[in-house]
Amino acid sequence: DIQMTQSPSTLSASVGDRVTITCRASQSINSWLAWYQQIPGKAPKLLIYKTSSLETGVPSRFSGSGSGTEFTLTISSLQPDDFATYYCQQYNSYWTFGQGTKVEIK
Amino acid sequence: QVQLQESGPGLVQSSQTLSLTCTVSGGSISSSDHYWSWIRQHPVKGLEWIGYIYNSGNTFYNPSLLSRVTISVDTSKSQFSLKLSSVTAADTAVYYCARGRGYGYGIDYWGQGTLVTVSS
Repeated sequence: DIQMTQSPSTLSASVGDRVTITCRASQSINSWLAWYQQIPGKAPKLLIYKTSSLETGVPSRFSGSGSGTEFTLTISSLQPDDFATYYCQQYNSYWTFGQGTKVEIK
Repeated sequence: QVQLQESGPGLVQSSQTLSLTCTVSGGSISSSDHYWSWIRQHPVKGLEWIGYIYNSGNTFYNPSLLSRVTISVDTSKSQFSLKLSSVTAADTAVYYCARGRGYGYGIDYWGQGTLVTVSS
Protein backbone atom coordinates (compact mmCIF):
# COMPACT_ATOMS: atom_id res chain seq x y z
CA ASP A 1 0.00 0.00 0.00
CA ILE A 2 1.13 3.54 -0.71
CA GLN A 3 1.12 5.74 2.38
CA MET A 4 0.68 9.51 2.14
CA THR A 5 2.11 11.76 4.85
CA GLN A 6 1.22 15.43 5.06
CA SER A 7 3.04 18.12 6.98
CA PRO A 8 2.35 20.03 9.00
CA SER A 9 -0.78 18.62 10.62
CA THR A 10 -1.85 22.09 11.67
CA LEU A 11 -0.76 25.43 10.33
CA SER A 12 -1.53 28.83 11.85
CA ALA A 13 -1.51 31.72 9.41
CA SER A 14 -2.94 35.15 8.74
CA VAL A 15 -4.88 36.56 5.82
CA GLY A 16 -2.40 37.48 3.09
CA ASP A 17 0.22 34.91 4.13
CA ARG A 18 1.86 32.54 1.68
CA VAL A 19 1.14 29.00 2.81
CA THR A 20 2.80 25.74 1.76
CA ILE A 21 1.65 22.22 2.60
CA THR A 22 3.79 19.18 1.86
CA CYS A 23 2.67 15.67 0.96
CA ARG A 24 5.11 12.75 0.80
CA ALA A 25 4.38 9.36 -0.71
CA SER A 26 5.94 6.13 0.55
CA GLN A 27 6.89 5.28 -3.04
CA SER A 28 6.82 7.03 -6.38
CA ILE A 29 3.38 8.01 -7.60
CA ASN A 30 4.62 9.80 -10.72
CA SER A 31 2.34 12.84 -11.04
CA TRP A 32 -0.87 11.14 -9.96
CA LEU A 33 -1.69 13.43 -7.07
CA ALA A 34 -4.69 15.59 -6.26
CA TRP A 35 -5.44 18.17 -3.56
CA TYR A 36 -8.78 18.79 -1.85
CA GLN A 37 -10.17 21.43 0.48
CA GLN A 38 -12.70 20.49 3.15
CA ILE A 39 -14.76 22.86 5.24
CA PRO A 40 -16.32 21.35 8.41
CA GLY A 41 -19.60 19.62 7.68
CA LYS A 42 -19.04 19.66 3.92
CA ALA A 43 -17.68 17.23 1.36
CA PRO A 44 -14.15 17.75 0.08
CA LYS A 45 -13.69 19.96 -2.97
CA LEU A 46 -11.20 19.21 -5.72
CA LEU A 47 -8.59 21.95 -6.08
CA ILE A 48 -5.77 20.44 -8.12
CA TYR A 49 -5.29 17.21 -10.07
CA LYS A 50 -2.30 15.61 -11.75
CA THR A 51 0.01 17.48 -9.36
CA SER A 52 -0.37 20.94 -10.84
CA SER A 53 -3.55 21.21 -12.94
CA LEU A 54 -6.00 23.70 -11.47
CA GLU A 55 -9.61 22.52 -11.37
CA THR A 56 -12.06 24.78 -13.21
CA GLY A 57 -13.31 27.57 -10.99
CA VAL A 58 -10.57 27.29 -8.40
CA PRO A 59 -8.77 30.60 -7.73
CA SER A 60 -5.30 30.98 -9.20
CA ARG A 61 -3.78 31.63 -5.77
CA PHE A 62 -3.79 27.84 -5.39
CA SER A 63 -0.96 25.98 -7.08
CA GLY A 64 0.62 22.56 -6.90
CA SER A 65 4.03 21.17 -7.72
CA GLY A 66 6.25 18.14 -7.25
CA SER A 67 6.93 14.71 -8.68
CA GLY A 68 7.84 11.22 -7.61
CA THR A 69 7.36 11.18 -3.85
CA GLU A 70 7.27 14.83 -2.76
CA PHE A 71 4.54 17.31 -3.56
CA THR A 72 3.42 20.73 -2.37
CA LEU A 73 0.26 22.79 -2.33
CA THR A 74 0.82 26.53 -2.15
CA ILE A 75 -1.69 29.25 -1.42
CA SER A 76 -0.02 32.48 -2.55
CA SER A 77 -2.09 34.87 -0.46
CA LEU A 78 -4.37 33.31 2.11
CA GLN A 79 -7.99 34.51 2.02
CA PRO A 80 -10.70 34.16 4.70
CA ASP A 81 -12.42 31.35 2.73
CA ASP A 82 -9.18 29.34 2.74
CA PHE A 83 -9.25 28.43 6.43
CA ALA A 84 -10.07 24.75 6.08
CA THR A 85 -8.49 21.31 6.07
CA TYR A 86 -6.51 20.20 3.02
CA TYR A 87 -5.95 16.64 1.87
CA CYS A 88 -3.68 15.15 -0.73
CA GLN A 89 -4.67 11.98 -2.58
CA GLN A 90 -2.60 9.60 -4.68
CA TYR A 91 -4.18 7.60 -7.48
CA ASN A 92 -1.14 5.87 -8.92
CA SER A 93 -2.07 2.61 -7.22
CA TYR A 94 -5.59 2.41 -5.83
CA TRP A 95 -6.43 5.58 -3.91
CA THR A 96 -4.94 6.83 -0.66
CA PHE A 97 -5.43 10.12 1.16
CA GLY A 98 -3.08 12.00 3.42
CA GLN A 99 -4.16 12.60 7.01
CA GLY A 100 -4.96 16.25 6.38
CA THR A 101 -3.55 19.68 7.20
CA LYS A 102 -5.73 22.10 9.08
CA VAL A 103 -5.12 25.74 8.21
CA GLU A 104 -6.28 27.88 11.10
CA ILE A 105 -6.36 31.56 11.86
CA LYS A 106 -3.28 32.83 13.65
CA GLN B 1 -24.62 19.88 -13.02
CA VAL B 2 -23.90 16.40 -11.71
CA GLN B 3 -25.36 15.65 -8.29
CA LEU B 4 -24.90 12.64 -6.06
CA GLN B 5 -27.10 11.74 -3.10
CA GLU B 6 -26.48 9.00 -0.55
CA SER B 7 -29.35 7.14 1.07
CA GLY B 8 -29.65 4.33 3.57
CA PRO B 9 -29.94 3.56 7.28
CA GLY B 10 -28.11 5.82 9.67
CA LEU B 11 -27.88 3.10 12.31
CA VAL B 12 -26.61 -0.43 11.78
CA GLN B 13 -26.24 -3.17 14.35
CA SER B 14 -22.82 -4.60 15.01
CA SER B 15 -22.03 -7.70 12.90
CA GLN B 16 -24.72 -6.79 10.36
CA THR B 17 -24.33 -5.46 6.82
CA LEU B 18 -24.20 -1.76 6.05
CA SER B 19 -26.03 -0.90 2.83
CA LEU B 20 -26.00 2.47 1.11
CA THR B 21 -27.18 3.69 -2.28
CA CYS B 22 -26.01 6.67 -4.29
CA THR B 23 -28.35 8.25 -6.82
CA VAL B 24 -26.70 10.16 -9.64
CA SER B 25 -28.45 12.96 -11.49
CA GLY B 26 -27.36 15.43 -14.14
CA GLY B 27 -25.00 13.00 -15.83
CA SER B 28 -24.76 9.46 -17.16
CA ILE B 29 -23.70 6.70 -14.79
CA SER B 30 -22.95 4.55 -17.83
CA SER B 31 -19.99 6.62 -18.99
CA SER B 32 -16.83 4.53 -19.26
CA ASP B 33 -14.76 7.56 -18.22
CA HIS B 34 -16.00 7.78 -14.65
CA TYR B 35 -15.13 5.98 -11.43
CA TRP B 36 -18.15 5.73 -9.12
CA SER B 37 -16.68 5.64 -5.67
CA TRP B 38 -17.33 5.24 -1.98
CA ILE B 39 -15.17 7.08 0.52
CA ARG B 40 -15.61 7.34 4.27
CA GLN B 41 -14.45 9.69 6.97
CA HIS B 42 -14.22 8.58 10.56
CA PRO B 43 -15.23 11.17 13.15
CA VAL B 44 -12.52 13.83 13.46
CA LYS B 45 -10.28 11.82 11.18
CA GLY B 46 -9.20 11.76 7.60
CA LEU B 47 -10.55 10.20 4.47
CA GLU B 48 -10.48 6.51 3.61
CA TRP B 49 -11.15 5.20 0.12
CA ILE B 50 -13.45 2.15 0.16
CA GLY B 51 -13.63 1.28 -3.52
CA TYR B 52 -15.01 2.16 -6.93
CA ILE B 53 -16.85 0.70 -9.86
CA TYR B 54 -16.26 1.75 -13.44
CA ASN B 55 -17.16 0.80 -16.97
CA SER B 56 -20.50 -0.58 -15.70
CA GLY B 57 -19.08 -3.40 -13.67
CA ASN B 58 -15.35 -3.42 -13.01
CA THR B 59 -14.55 -2.97 -9.35
CA PHE B 60 -11.50 -2.10 -7.27
CA TYR B 61 -11.55 -2.22 -3.50
CA ASN B 62 -9.31 -1.01 -0.70
CA PRO B 63 -7.23 -4.08 0.17
CA SER B 64 -7.91 -3.53 3.88
CA LEU B 65 -11.68 -3.88 3.27
CA LEU B 66 -11.61 -6.32 0.37
CA SER B 67 -13.14 -9.26 2.22
CA ARG B 68 -16.17 -7.25 3.38
CA VAL B 69 -17.01 -4.85 0.54
CA THR B 70 -19.23 -5.10 -2.51
CA ILE B 71 -19.97 -2.20 -4.86
CA SER B 72 -22.56 -2.63 -7.60
CA VAL B 73 -24.32 -0.45 -10.15
CA ASP B 74 -27.87 -0.27 -11.47
CA THR B 75 -27.67 1.81 -14.62
CA SER B 76 -31.44 1.67 -15.16
CA LYS B 77 -31.94 3.58 -11.91
CA SER B 78 -28.76 5.67 -12.22
CA GLN B 79 -27.63 4.31 -8.87
CA PHE B 80 -24.64 2.55 -7.42
CA SER B 81 -24.51 0.82 -4.07
CA LEU B 82 -22.22 -0.16 -1.23
CA LYS B 83 -22.48 -3.20 1.00
CA LEU B 84 -20.08 -3.62 3.91
CA SER B 85 -20.51 -6.80 5.90
CA SER B 86 -19.70 -7.74 9.50
CA VAL B 87 -19.54 -4.14 10.68
CA THR B 88 -18.07 -3.05 14.00
CA ALA B 89 -17.86 0.27 15.82
CA ALA B 90 -14.75 1.00 13.76
CA ASP B 91 -17.01 1.31 10.71
CA THR B 92 -18.87 4.27 12.21
CA ALA B 93 -18.17 7.13 9.81
CA VAL B 94 -19.57 9.62 7.35
CA TYR B 95 -19.90 7.79 4.05
CA TYR B 96 -19.55 9.73 0.81
CA CYS B 97 -20.34 8.64 -2.70
CA ALA B 98 -18.28 10.43 -5.31
CA ARG B 99 -17.26 10.48 -8.95
CA GLY B 100 -13.75 10.13 -10.27
CA ARG B 101 -13.83 12.10 -13.49
CA GLY B 102 -11.49 9.85 -15.37
CA TYR B 103 -8.05 8.38 -14.95
CA GLY B 104 -5.79 11.12 -13.71
CA TYR B 105 -8.39 13.80 -13.05
CA GLY B 106 -9.27 13.45 -9.39
CA ILE B 107 -12.65 13.24 -7.68
CA ASP B 108 -14.75 16.06 -9.03
CA TYR B 109 -18.22 15.47 -7.60
CA TRP B 110 -19.18 14.33 -4.10
CA GLY B 111 -22.42 13.60 -2.32
CA GLN B 112 -23.14 15.50 0.86
CA GLY B 113 -22.24 12.49 2.98
CA THR B 114 -24.30 10.38 5.35
CA LEU B 115 -23.39 9.43 8.90
CA VAL B 116 -23.65 5.73 9.65
CA THR B 117 -23.35 4.67 13.26
CA VAL B 118 -22.70 1.07 14.23
CA SER B 119 -24.29 0.17 17.52
CA SER B 120 -23.74 -2.83 19.73
